[in-house]
Amino acid sequence: QVQLVQPGAEVRLPGASVTVSCKASGYILSSYNMHWVRQAPGQGPEWLGILDLSNGATRYAPKFQDRITMTWDTSTSTVYMELSSLRADDTAVYFCARELRATYCFDTWGRGTLVTVSS
Amino acid sequence: QTVVTQEPSFSVSPGGTVTLTCGLNSGSVSTRHQPNWYQQTPGQAPRTLIYKTNSRSSGVPDRFSGSILGNKAALTITGAQADDDSDYYCVLYMGGGLYVFGTGTRVTVL
Repeated sequence: QVQLVQPGAEVRLPGASVTVSCKASGYILSSYNMHWVRQAPGQGPEWLGILDLSNGATRYAPKFQDRITMTWDTSTSTVYMELSSLRADDTAVYFCARELRATYCFDTWGRGTLVTVSS
Repeated sequence: QTVVTQEPSFSVSPGGTVTLTCGLNSGSVSTRHQPNWYQQTPGQAPRTLIYKTNSRSSGVPDRFSGSILGNKAALTITGAQADDDSDYYCVLYMGGGLYVFGTGTRVTVL
């Protein structure tokens, strides 16, 4: 069945970077886009960006444009999201979510990775 | 800055009907924004309810329906049940590959 598997948690110091992985299985990656969404404690979700898995094109939310990178490794069917220059307010659960291209629908979600930024 | 606004909270009786809305600070919401609706319970990832304004995701009960009402997207729950007690978020496509989540609505069924 379709699965998006993420690690449970990461801890980083302020100013560091974090790379969150999302391993996909059960479907053909190139037919889909992958989105990243985060949710800070007690807050609503926030869209971070999209990676087109057919050609590697990306689009990021303007707020994160200068410190986020989304990539993927076709050999392992794993998508990555790197966020740099971390601050305490980057503490959140980070989700990957797939979209069948042109449906504008996040139809399957990973369980999320809690990223804690703390000194 | 684009802000997508939703009512903070609603209360509905079991069996009742409630309509949540999703508005845009910069103008009207239309089908070109491809409104989606997600349900979320604490500690879980969001669950897709509605996509492309009014298409129900697989397995979603038909008591959930989506529409455009005036200048907003809307999610209607008809015949609310106890397990509809959740947070609900809309998402709008803003063009150019960009998406924005709404502020969310807490629905209490009691």
